[in-house]
Amino acid sequence: DIQMTQSPSSLSASVGDRVTITCQASQDIRKYLNWYQKKPGKPPKVLIYDASILETGVPSRFSGSGSGTEFTFTISSLQPEDIATYYCQQYGGVPRGVTFGPGTKVDIK
Amino acid sequence: QVQLVQSGAEVKKPGSSVKVSCKASGGTFSSYAISWVRQAPGQGLEWMGGIIPIFNTTYYAQNFQGRVTITADKSASTVYMELSSLRSEDTAVYYCARDRGAFDIWGQGTLVTVSS
Repeated sequence: DIQMTQSPSSLSASVGDRVTITCQASQDIRKYLNWYQKKPGKPPKVLIYDASILETGVPSRFSGSGSGTEFTFTISSLQPEDIATYYCQQYGGVPRGVTFGPGTKVDIK
Repeated sequence: QVQLVQSGAEVKKPGSSVKVSCKASGGTFSSYAISWVRQAPGQGLEWMGGIIPIFNTTYYAQNFQGRVTITADKSASTVYMELSSLRSEDTAVYYCARDRGAFDIWGQGTLVTVSS
């Protein structure tokens, strides 16, 4: 099974700050990596798919990059509504397998 | 636009089974896979498995092999997830999601509580 790690596990930043989260896969997953935002009481929302493609309707302050085993998720200017937990997710396993990272909780300082 | 509507909350005894439904409306049901993801209280997201209704092909996470069964009723545009041998650690919100690689459309979630 492919394992995913994320860092940091939590962070606190000010409104307007640039926030970066990293995600590492235990083996090469090419670009089969998605990023989700999860708020309490709501289902997750996909923000970035295939490592770097912004999902339709998602603000452009969200971005992703990387391939292989190392990936980065960035919020260019943190907004109060971005308070949430962010998860990376790979879907590159054969046979079909999916793994979520452990999550990064983002707070406002 | 496809919407996924899940069945209501359940309370189950340890050792029993639960079956949660996920009904698709407003779009072509069988074109995509449907996956199931759960989140236990205070924990992260955990993928359980999925199904491609058009082919009736299923795939399961290693952690749930032998305990979870995912089925589809194409005529009713509904996918089901049945989890057996329930234990307290299975208390969680269970979500279905349209799986195109990315999970882009989600059900509202179903709380399953396992308690004696």
